Parts: sequence; C-alpha cells; structure tokens
Amino acid sequence: DIQMTQSPSSLSASVGDRVTITCRASQGITNTLAWYQQKPGKVPKLLITAASTLQSGVPSRFSGSGSGTEFTLTINSLQPEDVASYYCQKYDSAPFTFGPGTKVDIK
Amino acid sequence: EVQLVESGGDLVQPGGSLRLSCAASGFSFGDYAMAWVRQAPGKGLEWVSGIIGRGPTTYYADSVRGRFTISRDNSENTLYLHMNSLRAEDTAVYYCAKDWARNKFYFDYWGQGTLVAVSS
Repeated sequence: DIQMTQSPSSLSASVGDRVTITCRASQGITNTLAWYQQKPGKVPKLLITAASTLQSGVPSRFSGSGSGTEFTLTINSLQPEDVASYYCQKYDSAPFTFGPGTKVDIK
Repeated sequence: EVQLVESGGDLVQPGGSLRLSCAASGFSFGDYAMAWVRQAPGKGLEWVSGIIGRGPTTYYADSVRGRFTISRDNSENTLYLHMNSLRAEDTAVYYCAKDWARNKFYFDYWGQGTLVAVSS
C-alpha cells in the first residue's frame, strides 16, 4: 500500500507569516490528493481537492500544489483562525489513506 | 442541508462486537459513496472503510479487514459499520463521511462522531 507522510509534524508561526506543509506519497498518485483542516474540537473540513482546487468558501490565502509524490499546502498570511491540524489524503485507489497530520499554531 | 448523525458508540470489552449507524439526510444518499474515518484520542485521522453508492463494492483498511463490515441501506438512508473482535487499538471517535462526488472518496460532509471505547 502507498504510505503518506507529512512534514513538519508541527509548526509555530507568527500572524502574517507564510506557512508551507509538505505531503509525500511513497508512490505516484498523480494529482489525486485532498487537504483537510481540523480545528480543535471540530470535525475535519475539506479545503483542497485534485492537489490544487480550492473548495468553495475556502479563503484564497490557502493554496495547494504538486503532483506525483510530492505536494504542498501553503497558507499565505497566517491568521489566528488557521490554528488547526492539517491532513492530506490520497484518493487514487483504496486504501484512501490520510497523512499523519501537521499541527499549526501561532507563535 | 446535509446531515450525518452517528450512533451506536459504547464501551465494550476486548473481543466484543458493536454496530455503528449513520443516519443521513439532505442529499440523495444512494448516489454517493460513504466512508467511516476514525480518530483515536489525541491522534490523527485514519480512514477505516468505504462503500460505493450502489452495488456491493466495499473497501477496508488493513487494520480492520476481516473484523469490520461496512454496509448501507439506501431505502433507509443509513450507513452501518459492524465491528467484531474489537481491540484496544480500535478505541476512537468514529466519523461517518460523505463522498464529495460519486465514488471519488474524498469527503465534504462529516458527522459529529460516535465514541467507541474498547477496554476491560
């Protein structure tokens, strides 16, 4: 099975900073990658699909890129409401594995 | 409005069984794949099982294959997860999740979750 990894596992940044999270697949998955945001005590929210397609209503400071085995989620100008854990998920084929997550907080 | 409401979580002894339910409303249930995703306390998300909208195709994580069975009743708009031979490591909040588009298996709506605790 394809394994998903994320780096870093956690980060602390200042309001207004640009934040980048990396997700890697152990084998190529073309662009079949989604990103989710989970705020503390809340259910996950779908942010991005097809590696770079922003879901409706998601702020434009979020963006995604990548293809194959390496993907990035970027938050331009980090805001206090972005404090959350972020997960990537592959959906090319089963198992539809999530990455281990990246916890983002404010410095 | 899409709603997913899980139920059936409980405290169960190792080796025991449990059936989770997810009542869906606000969308054409039979047209969408559904899945169960779990989250152990303080841990990340783990995809557990999925089922396509119509027909028998199901999928399982290696960690639950042979012990868990996913099913759905499209006439009742309900998703199920039958869990047997439960282990301590199955302790988690179990979320029901709706596929964004037909059989894509990424998820745009999630229930609030139901807690399964496996302990003696």
